[in-house]
Amino acid sequence: QTVVTQEPSFSVSPGGTVTLTCGLSSGSVYSTYYPSWYQQTPGQAPRTLIYSTNTRSSGVPDRFSGSILGKKAALTITGAQAEDESDYYCVLYMGGGISVFGGGTKVTVL
Amino acid sequence: EVQLVQSGGGLVQPGGSLRLSCAVSGLSVSGNYMSWVRQAPGKGLEWVSTIDSDGKTYYADSMEGRMHLTISRDIAKNTLYLQIRTLRADDTAVYYCARRTPLTAYFDSWGQGTLLTVSS
Repeated sequence: QTVVTQEPSFSVSPGGTVTLTCGLSSGSVYSTYYPSWYQQTPGQAPRTLIYSTNTRSSGVPDRFSGSILGKKAALTITGAQAEDESDYYCVLYMGGGISVFGGGTKVTVL
Repeated sequence: EVQLVQSGGGLVQPGGSLRLSCAVSGLSVSGNYMSWVRQAPGKGLEWVSTIDSDGKTYYADSMEGRMHLTISRDIAKNTLYLQIRTLRADDTAVYYCARRTPLTAYFDSWGQGTLLTVSS
């Protein structure tokens, strides 16, 4: 069974930069997996941040960017703000109608 | 404006069944890929199922073994459903409906979520 891996947690200082990654238990992540990223705060529905590796969804600040770094997809927050403190999830499309979420990364801004 | 408004959650006894609904406006369920995503208490998001524009259905591997889920749609009501049978405690979760784009396969519109609690 495919497992999508994410770091459990990250801490970043206000104004700092943090890069979250999204990998596969076996193999590399390519753009053909159409990596997407979502932000979720407690009690709220997810918010779409990035799709197709590096395209920002409408209204998403440009401090959020997506890329492929080595064998993983990555979400970078440049100039983190207090309101960026959230859980972040990646999704990889495995083909055949199947999508798989990563376990999520809790980002703390302090 | 696309809106997905969910209903149908609640407290259900183990072994029971429930149908979750997602009323959609601003887009047609028949012409789009629609999905269900769930989140158990304190846990991460988990893709559950997708129905494509042709009506073909897809389920997460973790759900296939139990065959207790059915995703469906009512075109006339423009509503998406998730029928869950033989409920177990581990079905307890917030369930979200979402529109999934057909080619780039991301979830671009979300419902507000509905809590299903399975408990005696």
